[in-house]
Amino acid sequence: EVQLVESGGRVVRPGGSLRLSCAASGFTFDDYGMSWVRQAPGKGLEWVSGINWNGGSTRYADSVKGRFTISRDNAKNFLYLEMNSLRAEDTALYHCARDPGLGIEWYFEFWGRGTLVIVSS
Amino acid sequence: EIVMTQSPATLSVSPGERATLSCRASQSVSSNLAWYQQKPGQAPRLLIYGVSIRATGIPARFSGSGSGTEFTLTISILQSEDFAVYYCQQYNKWPRTFGQGTKVEIK
Repeated sequence: EVQLVESGGRVVRPGGSLRLSCAASGFTFDDYGMSWVRQAPGKGLEWVSGINWNGGSTRYADSVKGRFTISRDNAKNFLYLEMNSLRAEDTALYHCARDPGLGIEWYFEFWGRGTLVIVSS
Repeated sequence: EIVMTQSPATLSVSPGERATLSCRASQSVSSNLAWYQQKPGQAPRLLIYGVSIRATGIPARFSGSGSGTEFTLTISILQSEDFAVYYCQQYNKWPRTFGQGTKVEIK
């Protein structure tokens, strides 16, 4: 069974930093691209960032470009999101999601339940 | 960026009835369109990809149709477990974008 379990979310002050993690299990992690998708409280879904199977290709939404960095550790089956210069508008539930193939060009086949990031002073 | 617009925002339907949800793209997304279901406190679940291909384990009462810029998700006979929020998503161009969601509620 595919499982994606996010962690690392907490309350952080504007301008602060945070690192989110996603533990993957139940599949061969380095066979798939991975993404982060966020959901502001009471709002819809927004794709944030994606990384291909070997980390050689990464993409970011304009809203986070230059502030967030996605990475993965295929030996440990972990996906990460390093978040810097956090803003109030980054407050959201951050979901880890798996693409259906090696790249990051498609839909999201499996999702985690998310970890909550609150940016507030 | 391709803007995805879903309608209606809320759909009130009785169990056993048909629900029809719409999704419109600001430009053609070809057949690169997916639908997701999300229940409160749960992760989104993939229902449909490639406009009309049901994901593994998705019941046949869920069907997708459309092309280009106009798409429809139909739930033929609503079950109690189908009351949720539904999102469409395009993956034809970067960035991948979602609609704002349609909430299907019990009438």
